[in-house]
Formats: sequence, C-alpha cells, structure tokens
Amino acid sequence: DGGITQSPKYLFRKEGQNVTLSCEQNLNHDAMYWYRQDPGQGLRLIYYSQIVNDFQKGDIAEGYSVSREKKESFPLTVTSAQKNPTAFYLCASSIGQGATEAFFGQGTRLTVV
Amino acid sequence: SQKIEQNSEALNIQEGKTATLTCNYTNYSPAYLQWYRQDPGRGPVFLLLIRENEKEKRKERLKVTFDTTLKQSLFHITASQPADSATYLCALDMQTGRRALTFGSGTRLQVQP
Repeated sequence: DGGITQSPKYLFRKEGQNVTLSCEQNLNHDAMYWYRQDPGQGLRLIYYSQIVNDFQKGDIAEGYSVSREKKESFPLTVTSAQKNPTAFYLCASSIGQGATEAFFGQGTRLTVV
Repeated sequence: SQKIEQNSEALNIQEGKTATLTCNYTNYSPAYLQWYRQDPGRGPVFLLLIRENEKEKRKERLKVTFDTTLKQSLFHITASQPADSATYLCALDMQTGRRALTFGSGTRLQVQP
C-alpha cells in the first residue's frame, strides 16, 4: 500500500538529548514537510523540502534539523537547542508545488521527561 | 502579518443538521484553499480543494465556498452524522515564495445523536 509512515508513534526523550523522528513515503512525491502541533493549536511548519538534497526553513526551524538524501525519506532531528520540544510532530508529502493535496503520516508524539 | 483564522470554539450541532465552519484570512491572495479533517491523535486527511476562480465545490455531503473579496471560505457538511465529529482545518498556499501549506488552528465539530 502506498503511504507515508512515521516512526515511532510515541517517543520519550531526556532533556539535553537529541532525537530523530523518521518519515518515509512510497508515493513517489517530490515534496515533503514537517509540522509541529501543540494542544488546541494548528500546524506550524518546521522545515520543508521540494526536491532531494534541498530543504528550506519554515516558521519554527530553530532547534531542529533535517536531511533529504533520498526522495523517500525526510528525517527530523530535534536537538537539545529546542527549548520546548514536547509536541505532536506530523510529516507530510505532496506531488510537488502548486495546488496539490498533502498526505500526512500518523504523527509522532514526543515527550521530554 | 499574514493570518488564517478559524473559530476556536467548538461547534455543537444535532445529527441531521448542516454544519457550517468558517475560515478567514488576511493579507494575501491565495490561488487555492484546502480543507482537512483531523481526528484526535492522527494526521490530517485531505477533503477538498477549491481554486480562486471557483465559487463553490461539492463532494458528497461536503460543500466549500471561496469568496476572495471577503477573504473567506465556508465549509458545509449537510445531513451531519456523529461520525463527522472531528477537527476541521483550512490551509492556504501563501504564495510568498515558500511553497508549503499554512494551516489555521482548526474548528472542532461535535455532532450529537
């Protein structure tokens, strides 16, 4: 089945540690995105990538890093520099730029303990 | 600043009635607007896309309107069912050079049986 997969579903991190969230898609989409969602709030854009080996910062990129070495994969690293990392993280993909729908993964809930 | 506003208060309606949700935006002219459904703890799912030159779009019990003069989109669910209970998000491509969707905070709909 085609789709976008995020792992793990739940993740616990100690303060001061970096952690990497996985996002894989087999939809052959060029564009991929990372959003953060806090309780009762909408999605805020962290990073996005329109093509392999290229990515751009979104609205809240500080404390995060990404890579796009393969078309299928867009991992997000939450670094120790992110002051408030506890949130629900959503990865999405789309065919490309323009009026196309975004397909979302099931999300990763990160909790700092 | 550019902004997307959705009613943050939950909308409670009786089964069988029509639910109407509002999305207002300021300071930009999107070429299209999208609506998504999000269930608790899950990623958003695409519902409808409407372009700036389309006044209305329908899909089964769903109807979306797009008024670029008022800078507003209305999302209607007719003959609502308890299964329609979810949070509904509107999203725009800001077309400022950043090709990624910007989301509103969403409106939670609760359909009472």
